[in-house]
Amino acid sequence: DAGVIQSPRHEVTEMGQEVTLRCKPISGHDYLFWYRQTMMRGLELLIYFNNNVPIDDSGMPEDRFSAKMPNASFSTLKIQPSEPRDSAVYFCASQPGADTQYFGPGTRLTVL
Amino acid sequence: QQQVKQSPQSLIVQKGGISIINCAYENTAFDYFPWYQQFPGKGPALLIAIRPDVSEKKEGRFTISFNKSAKQFSLHIMDSQPGDSATYFCAASKGNQFYFGTGTSLTVIP
Repeated sequence: DAGVIQSPRHEVTEMGQEVTLRCKPISGHDYLFWYRQTMMRGLELLIYFNNNVPIDDSGMPEDRFSAKMPNASFSTLKIQPSEPRDSAVYFCASQPGADTQYFGPGTRLTVL
Repeated sequence: QQQVKQSPQSLIVQKGGISIINCAYENTAFDYFPWYQQFPGKGPALLIAIRPDVSEKKEGRFTISFNKSAKQFSLHIMDSQPGDSATYFCAASKGNQFYFGTGTSLTVIP
């Protein structure tokens, strides 16, 4: 298995622009998580899905952030409009049902 | 409130030495305690994990020591190597809710 796939790996955009991050989880994993990592706050859970249904989005910082999972093999995290404080590394992780979460390589987002 | 507290923030160890990273948790409902290793530009990867029914788990040079009564667990890296230089995260979970420590940057000097 190729593991969790994320794209793009790097994104540089200007303030106010829309940003879409993509994730393909490991096949057969029922859970998908979106995390944000910064030096100041470490790893923060933004939202997670179970069988494509959002379960907990309490970590989404504000309405500018939205996430979807239209099917078991694809999820997106959208930021609209983006702000400089959104600059971070965004990770997607999938989990088979219990125990270990498997992380993707991350998307480094820079908002100028 | 931070559910998992990790220390130290950074650690420098000589090659061949022992690296020790500590974590403490609050919620006694946690039932799974993994350690993740993260190299620059990569996502965290599972290194080793333990459940609270055992006090120690060893995999190669990596050992988790778990103290349920103290609500603490630690990672020991024996014979540390320069290739171990990375950031290490502890975590505690119950079901699908994972709480991560803030990370320890380990540098192993040749």
